Amino acid sequence: AQKITQTQPGMFVQEKEAVTLDCTYDTSDPSYGLFWYKQPSSGEMIFLIYQGSYDQQNATEGRYSLNFQKARKSANLVISASQLGDSAMYFCAMSPDKLIFGTGTRLQVFP
Amino acid sequence: DAGVIQSPRHEVTEMGQEVTLRCKPISGHDYLFWYRQTMMRGLELLIYFNNNVPIDDSGMPEDRFSAKMPNASFSTLKIQPSEPRDSAVYFCASTQGSVNQPQHFGDGTRLSIL
Repeated sequence: AQKITQTQPGMFVQEKEAVTLDCTYDTSDPSYGLFWYKQPSSGEMIFLIYQGSYDQQNATEGRYSLNFQKARKSANLVISASQLGDSAMYFCAMSPDKLIFGTGTRLQVFP
Repeated sequence: DAGVIQSPRHEVTEMGQEVTLRCKPISGHDYLFWYRQTMMRGLELLIYFNNNVPIDDSGMPEDRFSAKMPNASFSTLKIQPSEPRDSAVYFCASTQGSVNQPQHFGDGTRLSIL
């Protein structure tokens, strides 16, 4: 069975600092995708970054990077130079065949 | 480019009424997904379609829920009769090529059943 775990219900970070949001997963499928989504207080789901299980390099998208450690089955999201607008819920998800979401981490960025 | 469009944005109705949620996926996307988000259960996949054909409806809670995709640009999720426990935010999402591709979400429909 596939499973996604986010162990941090909430995180705080000061503006301009980097923050890492943890995500571990479990699957027996050799081919899968890992995703991070942001959900601001307004409620929409915003796709941030994607990592394929066969990708050799860690994915990066602007200030977002995905620290993919396949052997440890972890896919942590790193946000560099945090901004106040980064305050939101962040969901990790995986899809061998359909998207399964973690429980989310609420990130608060303070000045 | 237009994103995934959902309507209505908010719906408040009384228990027992029929509720219909609508979704227009991104043009060219061949996968469409319906999700439900609640505080208790988080984000759950209800059903997804590929090329207008339902592929996996194992997440549909019960027979009161039904979903259709009559063509590539339109899908509905219907609840009949509605119950207070159906209150949630319902999201539609679409993607192209594979379920392993990033999904683009609509803004959601916030449903309240009184």
